[in-house]
Amino acid sequence: DTGVSQNPRHKITKRGQNVTFRCDPISEHNRLYWYRQTLGQGPEFLTYFQNEAQLEKSRLLSDRFSAERPKGSFSTLEIQRTEQGDSAMYLCASTDPGGSYEQYFGPGTRLTVT
Amino acid sequence: GESVGLHLPTLSVQEGDNSIINCAYSNSASDYFIWYKQESGKGPQFIIDIRSNMDKRQGQRVTVLLNKTVKHLSLQIAATQPGDSAVYFCAESKAGTALIFGKGTTLSVSS
Repeated sequence: DTGVSQNPRHKITKRGQNVTFRCDPISEHNRLYWYRQTLGQGPEFLTYFQNEAQLEKSRLLSDRFSAERPKGSFSTLEIQRTEQGDSAMYLCASTDPGGSYEQYFGPGTRLTVT
Repeated sequence: GESVGLHLPTLSVQEGDNSIINCAYSNSASDYFIWYKQESGKGPQFIIDIRSNMDKRQGQRVTVLLNKTVKHLSLQIAATQPGDSAVYFCAESKAGTALIFGKGTTLSVSS
């Protein structure tokens, strides 16, 4: 499968714990995006990278959230001191550098904070 | 076929009907628009996109219409099938940056 992959698919954690998610974009896609989606809502933008540079961060990305893309390939999203309000689906997407703006989404990581 | 003028959270149609899903976007500076289909527990799946220099674009059984005057986007699905049942989202962006998603519409197709 050459699509966007995300791991883990599901994560259950206790409030106050740290969690880290991984996203592997489609090979050679230079832009990588993170979104968060809560039940019944559309995805909300968190941040995006062009290669290893983080170009934009949403106000939704509080100090407890950090994202990296150290080598311009895979990316990680870490949430520190998780809160129940962090429970959501975390989606990753990537874009072909050839001029198309279409964002290809992965299957998401479902986070449940108890 | 079913047609709605304003955004509705749900749309129910019979198999074989044509469906029209509407969306209002917010940013006059947006130059790229896209429709996604999302099934339960899955990530959004690309359906069709359109740039602001176009008014209409057709794909296989789907057509997107863009009205920049009133900032309105619509998705037309011809001969709707049960497999089309899902939540549909429109989204806008400026030059390939963050996508801003609209409110979803749940399409239910009965056979």
